Amino acid sequence: QQQVKQSPQSLIVQKGGISIINCAYENTAFDYFPWYQQFPGKGPALLIAIRPDVSEKKEGRFTISFNKSAKQFSLHIMDSQPGDSATYFCAASIRASGTYKYIFGTGTRLKVLA
Amino acid sequence: KAGVTQTPRYLIKTRGQQVTLSCSPISGHRSVSWYQQTPGQGLQFLFEYFSETQRNKGNFPGRFSGRQFSNSRSEMNVSTLELGDSALYLCASGRLDSINTEAFFGQGTRLTVV
Repeated sequence: QQQVKQSPQSLIVQKGGISIINCAYENTAFDYFPWYQQFPGKGPALLIAIRPDVSEKKEGRFTISFNKSAKQFSLHIMDSQPGDSATYFCAASIRASGTYKYIFGTGTRLKVLA
Repeated sequence: KAGVTQTPRYLIKTRGQQVTLSCSPISGHRSVSWYQQTPGQGLQFLFEYFSETQRNKGNFPGRFSGRQFSNSRSEMNVSTLELGDSALYLCASGRLDSINTEAFFGQGTRLTVV
């Protein structure tokens, strides 16, 4: 019940295309869902995050879509660029309990072709 | 503003030895969490400290321990190292003063056990 399932494992997209990464969870107590971007040799960096009372959140080219009833959320990267090539992790936590304990998905390796 | 600083960046140890990793959080952050990242298991939560108290612990053996000092700096210790402990160990810090504040990751310590 603590798992967060992420797909696909890897993704290749043409420059200018849309990258879509999906995550699903079981624990309805999760109340905070961030997405992290990680480049080789670096720690994960927060991209965008959403709470379950919102169905969509957009920041620049990055959008999270959230479906509370289906217990799924996804990251859309519009106009994908070669600089977006990285590994993306979704995560979930129970922030109401006052913790940063994150359950991470297994990651998606994105490659954007020039 | 300085980010989360982890030292050392790289470490090579022999099986059976012990190791101590250090994490200096962003100034003003009182929460420090530790994660283990491996290709096979992804990012897994180790433990979280807030104001020198361990608040959460992941499913790792007792060989993994940590502590937090009064200045919020944190250390984690792994005793009796095993080959499977080779991983990137990441530290994240946050203020945890509201439900929407985020945690920020350091670049990690790459531990290799030989």
